[in-house]
Amino acid sequence: GESVGLHLPTLSVQEGDNSIINCAYSNSASDYFIWYKQESGKGPQFIIDIRSNMDKRQGQRVTVLLNKTVKHLSLQIAATQPGDSAVYFCAETATDSWGKLQFGAGTQVVVTP
Amino acid sequence: GAVVSQHPSRVICKSGTSVKIECRSLDFQATTMFWYRQFPKKSLMLMATSNEGSKATYEQGVEKDKFLINHASLTLSTLTVTSAHPEDSSFYICSARDLEGRQVADTQYFGPGTRLTVL
Repeated sequence: GESVGLHLPTLSVQEGDNSIINCAYSNSASDYFIWYKQESGKGPQFIIDIRSNMDKRQGQRVTVLLNKTVKHLSLQIAATQPGDSAVYFCAETATDSWGKLQFGAGTQVVVTP
Repeated sequence: GAVVSQHPSRVICKSGTSVKIECRSLDFQATTMFWYRQFPKKSLMLMATSNEGSKATYEQGVEKDKFLINHASLTLSTLTVTSAHPEDSSFYICSARDLEGRQVADTQYFGPGTRLTVL
């Protein structure tokens, strides 16, 4: 399944399938991007980050892609598991903003058996 | 990894009272901490940036006299919601940034959040 931008806030994925969560950012000066996972009633948990001098970065089961031309960020989760059910936020910041993060609206990922 | 704690995790108070929320970096020093507010099913909204030893910087629309921030040490920042009203009920989350040997824009570590309910 695929969530496009902020218009589909809920993404339903079957267990074992790959998930793609998309995010459009607004500030062309942003040079650092982070994906966070937030479970209900908890604080955001860091997943993966990417700097603007990169197009792709991989972690364990996750990949972040950055397209600066269209100001688009995506998070791919391989072999989605029930524990991946959460809200996922992208966040952007610029070097001269002293770490102030701008969060996207978030995407609720629901993993079905 | 870096751990940030918040206390209390939940608080219920009466309208008109003040509530203090603590944010601590447990295993690193944080010269900068951030306070966010989150409504149900919504994203995180930055309220203010807390710098150790100086006044906090508030985002536009956030009342500094309503939300008092004190960054007393390199591991502790507090947010006091003064004269709380039901509309202040929200999930408050802090984050801390470890600047040791890192660039300015780097990973923030988030606390578990504090659920405030004002009756």
